[in-house]
Amino acid sequence: DAKTTQPTSMDCAEGRAANLPCNHSTISGNEYVYWYRQIHSQGPQYIIHGLKNNETNEMASLIITEDRKSSTLILPHATLRDTAVYYCIVRGGPMDSSYKLIFGSGTRLLVRP
Amino acid sequence: KAGVTQTPRYLIKTRGQQVTLSCSPISGHRSVSWYQQTPGQGLQFLFEYFSETQRNKGNFPGRFSGRQFSNSRSEMNVSTLELGDSALYLCASSLGGSGAETQYFGPGTRLLVL
Repeated sequence: DAKTTQPTSMDCAEGRAANLPCNHSTISGNEYVYWYRQIHSQGPQYIIHGLKNNETNEMASLIITEDRKSSTLILPHATLRDTAVYYCIVRGGPMDSSYKLIFGSGTRLLVRP
Repeated sequence: KAGVTQTPRYLIKTRGQQVTLSCSPISGHRSVSWYQQTPGQGLQFLFEYFSETQRNKGNFPGRFSGRQFSNSRSEMNVSTLELGDSALYLCASSLGGSGAETQYFGPGTRLLVL
């Protein structure tokens, strides 16, 4: 079973920031938080991942709470092309043999013109 | 660097037939994982190969099998197809050294079983 809980759907206006929350209250110390997104019928696209500290790349920012029980993915200036299903996944660290990604239902983000 | 490629992109088969899907990982990646995506079950892990060996396996029947070649390319095979095998089959590649490495997905093969 997925270790994360996400809202089923969200929407935001084009050009505004999209903040997608994820709860992972049972995360353990060596587990990372990964975010992928899937645009209709395409393969999931890697966005970002983090362990403890906040992370930023050219696509998004990841904010992880101090207790690591929740995180937020931020798309700073959402565009129509960001409309997709966003998956938050918790997986093991370097010494973990769990190579599989366990996908939940994700959040369906709709970016409105 | 080229991404993960999967062939064919679309496939139509009939019940009882078998099918083989192919995946070419990103250059330098040695691990290939396969996933099945259906509307009812979502994205589910099938198996993972590294250095031509199956390293991890999901909860699928033995009709689903795979292999990996010395160049890291991988194939998965489904025998005695059932209607419920209609799905998007995705492969993902990673460097393969540890469990925490980022997996990068291909575009998928959409299989329709009639």
